Amino acid sequence: NAGVTQTPKFRILKIGQSMTLQCAQDMNHNYMYWYRQDPGMGLKLIYYSVGAGITDKGEVPNGYNVSRSTTEDFPLRLELAAPSQTSVYFCASSYEETQYFGPGTRLLVL
Amino acid sequence: KQEVTQIPAALSVPEGENLVLNCSFTDSAIYNLQWFRQDPGKGLTSLLLIQSSQREQTSGRLNASLDKSSGRSTLYIAASQPGDSATYLCAVCRSSNTGKLIFGQGTTLQVKP
Repeated sequence: NAGVTQTPKFRILKIGQSMTLQCAQDMNHNYMYWYRQDPGMGLKLIYYSVGAGITDKGEVPNGYNVSRSTTEDFPLRLELAAPSQTSVYFCASSYEETQYFGPGTRLLVL
Repeated sequence: KQEVTQIPAALSVPEGENLVLNCSFTDSAIYNLQWFRQDPGKGLTSLLLIQSSQREQTSGRLNASLDKSSGRSTLYIAASQPGDSATYLCAVCRSSNTGKLIFGQGTTLQVKP
């Protein structure tokens, strides 16, 4: 199993551009999550999903959108990128309460 | 609103020392508490999960305790090694329906040879 994979690893965006961060898991987990981690801080939940077709907001959803059309994939969409969205983004999936994290996407908005 | 705090933010110890990392949370209505390890530039790895009804969990040289009434958890690392150098994060889960986690800021541990 590859576990949780995220692409790209690193991206630079200009202010106002849009992009999609990809997340996929091959463990057939129903629950999936998107977090962001700012330097020296813990993780904050952006969006989560408890199954295909079901998504809900976390602590910091503004400026982001998600979709969950399959169990495997949970992409995160950034519309109109802003410098405040410079961060490291982690995707996770969970089984029986344990969360498994991807390696992260480092995003720089200039 | 649930808040999770970890003190200290950074810790440096000589190899072989036993150490304790602290985590506190403001709302005792939790479902479970989890400890994670994060290596530089990497994702998080789950270390220990304590259910709200449990007092402690052990895995190898790691022991995590939970005192829900006082809003505290500790992660005890025995006989520390340089390979234990990493950032340790605690997180609380309030609901089994969603599994949403609220994280502390982490404690960065350096174990010197």
